[in-house]
Amino acid sequence: DAGVIQSPRHEVTEMGQEVTLRCKPISGHNSLFWYRQTMMRGLELLIYFNNNVPIDDSGMPEDRFSAKMPNASFSTLKIQPSEPRDSAVYFCASTLGDSNQPQHFGDGTRLSIL
Amino acid sequence: GNSVTQMEGPVTLSEEAFLTINCTYTATGYPSLFWYVQYPGEGLQLLLKATKADDKGSNKGFEATYRKETTSFHLEKGSVQVSDSAVYFCALSDRTGGFKTIFGAGTRLFVKA
Repeated sequence: DAGVIQSPRHEVTEMGQEVTLRCKPISGHNSLFWYRQTMMRGLELLIYFNNNVPIDDSGMPEDRFSAKMPNASFSTLKIQPSEPRDSAVYFCASTLGDSNQPQHFGDGTRLSIL
Repeated sequence: GNSVTQMEGPVTLSEEAFLTINCTYTATGYPSLFWYVQYPGEGLQLLLKATKADDKGSNKGFEATYRKETTSFHLEKGSVQVSDSAVYFCALSDRTGGFKTIFGAGTRLFVKA
């Protein structure tokens, strides 16, 4: 079975540029999560969706960050304009909307803003 | 609110040593508890889980028992291998938290040959 698919795996860009990260969740999963991981702050939940609807975006750092889920099989996280402090590994995860079920993570996008 | 506290790392062990990583939790409801493992360059993956008190989750020689009386879910392995070197995350989720999973800060394990 295909797992959670993220693209790109690596992104290097200059500050001020727009960055778009993409995620395809596991088919049949109805909850999707975006996380950011850094050495300093660890794993942070940015936003999560249930049935394509954003439920909690309180972790989104500021207005430069936005996320969409136009359908059940695709989500994007956009940073515009990007800044060096946005450099991190960004993970997408999906699960069935049930507290007994684990989350399934993609392999992440390693983002470097120069 | 819900929270998870796990022991700080790094933990450094020799091959075949006994491993314990402590995890305690605070939850208003009846959470499910999880251990995830993250290998270098990869996302987190489920190691084991327990969904009710006194359940024991186990996988790949790792075990953890859901202790409601001590609000703990400690991870143990009798004999670690070099290939177990990774970061381990304790986590919980329950209905009062919506669909969110609360993760601990992670504990890095180094196993020396």
